Amino acid sequence: AQSVTQLDSHVSVSEGTPVLLRCNYSSSYSPSLFWYVQHPNKGLQLLLKYTSAATLVKGINGFEAEFKKSETSFHLTKPSAHMSDAAEYFCVVSGRGSQGNLIFGKGTKLSVKP
Amino acid sequence: NAGVTQTPKFQVLKTGQSMTLQCAQDMNHEYMSWYRQDPGMGLRLIHYSVGAGITDQGEVPNGYNVSRSTTEDFPLRLLSAAPSQTSVYFCASSYSSSGVFSYNEQFFGPGTRLTVL
Repeated sequence: AQSVTQLDSHVSVSEGTPVLLRCNYSSSYSPSLFWYVQHPNKGLQLLLKYTSAATLVKGINGFEAEFKKSETSFHLTKPSAHMSDAAEYFCVVSGRGSQGNLIFGKGTKLSVKP
Repeated sequence: NAGVTQTPKFQVLKTGQSMTLQCAQDMNHEYMSWYRQDPGMGLRLIHYSVGAGITDQGEVPNGYNVSRSTTEDFPLRLLSAAPSQTSVYFCASSYSSSGVFSYNEQFFGPGTRLTVL
């Protein structure tokens, strides 16, 4: 069985300050982990993915995430927030036995203050 | 490439009506899926397909039917709409690597916002 827990439903930061969105996962298989972003009234876009290669994964727009097996975590970070980062972020798990089906966390809404 | 396209963008139904949400992709992807998004719930899988002629249920299949007669198209049918089916529906597609789908990103359509009165 697989599951994802996003620890914060809403995160608010000031422009130029660091972003941390937290995600813990549970998986019976060696997991594939993803972060997707959804801007208001838009579809979902892949930010980055982990599939058992390097544990530190770099994505688009300056985001990165670190896979920590011992902590079952896959937190998303960015050194300096931009106003355009305001969106909802989803941590997602898949795995070899899942036939590609994605299990989504409930999402974290990121607000960026000027 | 148009990617994943969905029609309609918006739809209002009355309780008991039926309708079909259309989804098409032009990337020759084997895997296609339907999700619904409700506030505070993330996205939940309704049905999926790993190739033409093959479909299976996801987490929340009740009240929905699918079929996959071609690689490109994966329509979602609401048999008798209920207010609980008010949601935003997303179609997605993906490809396999050595027969495994789970390593690869899914490409999402723009969504269909459905309201059932």
